[in-house]
Amino acid sequence: EDQVTQSPEALRLQEGESSSLNCSYTVSGLRGLFWYRQDPGKGPEFLFTLYSAGEEKEKERLKATLTKKESFLHITAPKPEDSATYLCAVQASSGSRLTFGEGTQLTVNP
Amino acid sequence: NAGVTQTPKFQVLKTGQSMTLQCAQDMNHNSMYWYRQDPGMGLRLIYYSASEGTTDKGEVPNGYNVSRLNKREFSLRLESAAPSQTSVYFCASSEGLAGDTQYFGPGTRLTVL
Repeated sequence: EDQVTQSPEALRLQEGESSSLNCSYTVSGLRGLFWYRQDPGKGPEFLFTLYSAGEEKEKERLKATLTKKESFLHITAPKPEDSATYLCAVQASSGSRLTFGEGTQLTVNP
Repeated sequence: NAGVTQTPKFQVLKTGQSMTLQCAQDMNHNSMYWYRQDPGMGLRLIYYSASEGTTDKGEVPNGYNVSRLNKREFSLRLESAAPSQTSVYFCASSEGLAGDTQYFGPGTRLTVL
């Protein structure tokens, strides 16, 4: 059974204080790993897709990396508008559905 | 280009009532999905449609039915609502099934009393 565990559950940062969110996964052959951002009362918003170990993608202050067992979402010099819940999901090569983690709730204080 | 739209945004039902949640996408995507999101459970797939004319069960299909009306529209029906179906429901779409990014709608918050 595919499993995704995200840590920490919640993270509070000061504006400008860089940190990383972790997504550990167990899947029978990875087709893709997806990162989403979700604001309160909204639907998940797509950030990145990673397909193979060693791959990295960047967007503004966010950088996602992938190994064979986990993915990290690095946040550099965060701003209050980066406050949101960040979701990680995996898709196995043998299936079609996404398995989501429970998310990390990030709060960035000014 | 509205992306994925869902109606209604909020709904309150009594146990045993029925209702249909509507979803439409304007991205010409082949695949569409229905998820529910509950505290401590993450997003779970209810049903999906790989392409127009096909539907398949996901992780938690009991108590739900779906209809892929055409390429744009995918509806979710609760025939006899139960309090355990209180949740936030999200529709999503993607170009295909294999490795393609899923784009989500704004959600429907459903309460069953």
